[in-house]
Amino acid sequence: QQQVKQSPQSLIVQKGGISIINCAYENTAFDYFPWYQQFPGKGPALLIAIRPDVSEKKEGRFTISFNKSAKQFSLHIMDSQPGDSATYFCAASRGSGGSYIPTFGRGTSLIVHP
Amino acid sequence: DTGVSQDPRHKITKRGQNVTFRCDPISEHNRLYWYRQTLGQGPEFLTYFQNEAQLEKSRLLSDRFSAERPKGSFSTLEIQRTEQGDSAMYLCASSVRANGNTIYFGEGSWLTVV
Repeated sequence: QQQVKQSPQSLIVQKGGISIINCAYENTAFDYFPWYQQFPGKGPALLIAIRPDVSEKKEGRFTISFNKSAKQFSLHIMDSQPGDSATYFCAASRGSGGSYIPTFGRGTSLIVHP
Repeated sequence: DTGVSQDPRHKITKRGQNVTFRCDPISEHNRLYWYRQTLGQGPEFLTYFQNEAQLEKSRLLSDRFSAERPKGSFSTLEIQRTEQGDSAMYLCASSVRANGNTIYFGEGSWLTVV
């Protein structure tokens, strides 16, 4: 049973465009939703994260939108740059009363064309 | 700034051989995680330590896999009688209890079983 479903599997965007990646989760006990960025041959690196008490969080060109009732959250990359080309993973974990172990989506391969 | 360190970065082994990977977490991080990642997939949880105690193991961690963290610092992941299906990247991550939701990954250890 896949607890975190991510789409699309791949995404091609022109430089300056907006990249949007979506995730849906099933376990309502999840209370922390990070996004990780991974470059080839490297480990995932935390990009931005959100807790369910807010509907949006923005850091620079990266924004997470969170819809608790729909159990969905998304990553928006504004003004996408070729350097943003990487694989992006959404994740969810349970902190309070849980083990903080993140469950990951299957990833989205983003290519930003110059 | 020393992040999570993993060794070796790459390992090619023949089927049936044993392999061992080492992970040195970020200093003073008391939580340590092992994940496995195959091409085109997100990281899959294997096991988790808090200090020296192994608190959780995934069903993915078959009896050929064993992980230790003897003094609550570095950790080892051993795979016995390797199979071709074990070929993957093995990721280690760590976190500090006070901020348990944020985990930091190493660059991974690539295993190829031939």
